[in-house]
Amino acid sequence: SQQGEEDPQALSIQEGENATMNCSYKTSINNLQWYRQNSGRGLVHLILIRSNEREKHSGRLRVTLDTSKKSSSLLITASRAADTASYFCATDARKLTFGKGITLSVRP
Amino acid sequence: GAGVSQSPRYKVAKRGQDVALRCDPISGHVSLFWYQQALGQGPEFLTYFQNEAQLDKSGLPSDRFFAERPEGSVSTLKIQRTQQEDSAVYLCASSLLRGIVYNEQFFGPGTRLTVL
Repeated sequence: SQQGEEDPQALSIQEGENATMNCSYKTSINNLQWYRQNSGRGLVHLILIRSNEREKHSGRLRVTLDTSKKSSSLLITASRAADTASYFCATDARKLTFGKGITLSVRP
Repeated sequence: GAGVSQSPRYKVAKRGQDVALRCDPISGHVSLFWYQQALGQGPEFLTYFQNEAQLDKSGLPSDRFFAERPEGSVSTLKIQRTQQEDSAVYLCASSLLRGIVYNEQFFGPGTRLTVL
């Protein structure tokens, strides 16, 4: 019953490069959130973008939302080894629905 | 300050046993959520409390699953007669405000349940 689908499923990049992750969803949403999960810190909220917003920035993170295409992207600039984790998009339409996640590996 | 804590962190149960998983939310947080995360999947919503009231239990997979939050703080997720398909990580989250929309959720470390 997961609504969001992230793409790609796995991504491996070199430290310093940018990482772009995409999320598509099916139904109307109130907002879309991105989370990161690793064994050290568990599931952590990264950024929330409301349905009436198109772009949002937070530090090295940039999120875009296209409600007409029902898609979002998360860009991490100047990646670090510590960014290695699984990333999930979660759509908020009365309850939070997560995708299956993207595994990001950042090589030092 | 202290985040969301869960106990136990790991639980091994024999098929048919009952288990109880505890969640201590951040102090003062009104809303509390339970999620189930199977291996290689994203978390799936189980149930939602606003204070002591269970407002949504639509994600509970069967009547073997029961959650409570009697005093509006600590919550317990109970699974009766565990089955192998119940093996998963159970995540608890809390948020400061009522409702779900626009409300950042803070997650605990989870309880990894293995049913043999």
